[in-house]
Amino acid sequence: DQQVKQNSPSLSVQEGRISILNCDYTNSMFDYFLWYKKYPAEGPTFLISISSIKDKNEDGRFTVFLNKSAKHLSLHIVPSQPGDSAVYFCAASIGGRGSNYKLTFGKGTLLTVNP
Amino acid sequence: GAVVSQHPSRVICKSGTSVKIECRSLDFQATTMFWYRQFPKQSLMLMATSNEGSKATYEQGVEKDKFLINHASLTLSTLTVTSAHPEDSSFYICSARDPTSGSPDEQFFGPGTRLTVL
Repeated sequence: DQQVKQNSPSLSVQEGRISILNCDYTNSMFDYFLWYKKYPAEGPTFLISISSIKDKNEDGRFTVFLNKSAKHLSLHIVPSQPGDSAVYFCAASIGGRGSNYKLTFGKGTLLTVNP
Repeated sequence: GAVVSQHPSRVICKSGTSVKIECRSLDFQATTMFWYRQFPKQSLMLMATSNEGSKATYEQGVEKDKFLINHASLTLSTLTVTSAHPEDSSFYICSARDPTSGSPDEQFFGPGTRLTVL
């Protein structure tokens, strides 16, 4: 059972436009969410995170929105750049400091930003 | 930022042999390290959680006798795939937590190891 779902396997966006990557989760116990970026044959790189007590977190061109009632989060990248082309993974964890910090990952979305 | 290395980056071995993969935190001490495997176009699946000085905690369905994990120091964890078979061919990625990080759930990932079993 996939507890973290990224239903779009791929997304293509024009340079300069906004990229919106979506993620849904089923486990209401998740209270911390992270986005990772991954290039082929490399490990994921942390991008941005959000705690369940917030509904928005912004870092430069990257903004993550969390809608707890809908169990949905999204990553906005604006403006998109060709260097943003990569696979983006959504991940979730339970319990934060009190937990074992296990992350549950979605299957990823391949973002292609066209010049 | 925190750096995690893995060695080797890729390995090809014959069926029935054992392969050891090392994961090192280079600029921080990691009390907890994680081992994942990823099949093509699939998610990263957590295999086990490795705590320094104690036994690893394996996820359901992962054979502990096949995937031996040792976390002997605060900067090194090893994964040994014993008696490897072609179905063990995969991309293995480790990650480590930096307990001093401002984000308690943030994990820093190694570059991964591509294992091919012939």
